[in-house]
Amino acid sequence: DAGVTQSPTHLIKTRGQHVTLRCSPISGHKSVSWYQQVLGQGPQFIFQYYEKEERGRGNFPDRFSARQFPNYSSELNVNALLLGDSALYLCASPGQTTDTQYFGPGTRLTVL
Amino acid sequence: GNSVTQMEGPVTLSEEAFLTINCTYTATGYPSLFWYVQYPGEGLQLLLKATKADDKGSNKGFEATYRKETTSFHLEKGSVQVSDSAVYFCALKGDAGGTSYGKLTFGQGTILTVHP
Repeated sequence: DAGVTQSPTHLIKTRGQHVTLRCSPISGHKSVSWYQQVLGQGPQFIFQYYEKEERGRGNFPDRFSARQFPNYSSELNVNALLLGDSALYLCASPGQTTDTQYFGPGTRLTVL
Repeated sequence: GNSVTQMEGPVTLSEEAFLTINCTYTATGYPSLFWYVQYPGEGLQLLLKATKADDKGSNKGFEATYRKETTSFHLEKGSVQVSDSAVYFCALKGDAGGTSYGKLTFGQGTILTVHP
């Protein structure tokens, strides 16, 4: 089975632009979580979705939004990009045991 | 709310040295505890986990014991290799009775460099 997949791998944007990041969870799993990892820090929780409904939200501004599709893939959208949004964005999905989150390779976003 | 504190890094060791990376946590209830590893340019890989007090997680020679009395989950390895050089993150997941269920809270990470 494929693990968690994310696209694109890298992305460069300028301030004020909008970006969409994509994630597919482990096959058959209905939950997706998004994390932001700024260089030199631990990942910070942004959103969790389960069966297309938001189940949790971290301390992020309304510029950050997400959605989950019927096939359980997910998009993270960030509007009005700021320099501080430059980070590695990670998507996670539970595996065979739902108490464990498995992470995708991440999308590296650079905002210039 | 939940929080995780890791020892300050970076940690530099010679090959075959003993490794300890300290991790303490603050949480209500009975969280699950994890160690993740991140190699340069990559995402996070689960290293080991423990889901209840006194459980010992182990993988690839690494071990950590869930100590509820000291709210700790220190990572240890008896003999490190150059290939262990990476960033190590301690994390917790709130229990099912809390509003933070499913959300992982991470420490700030500890950079480990192992020299030949």
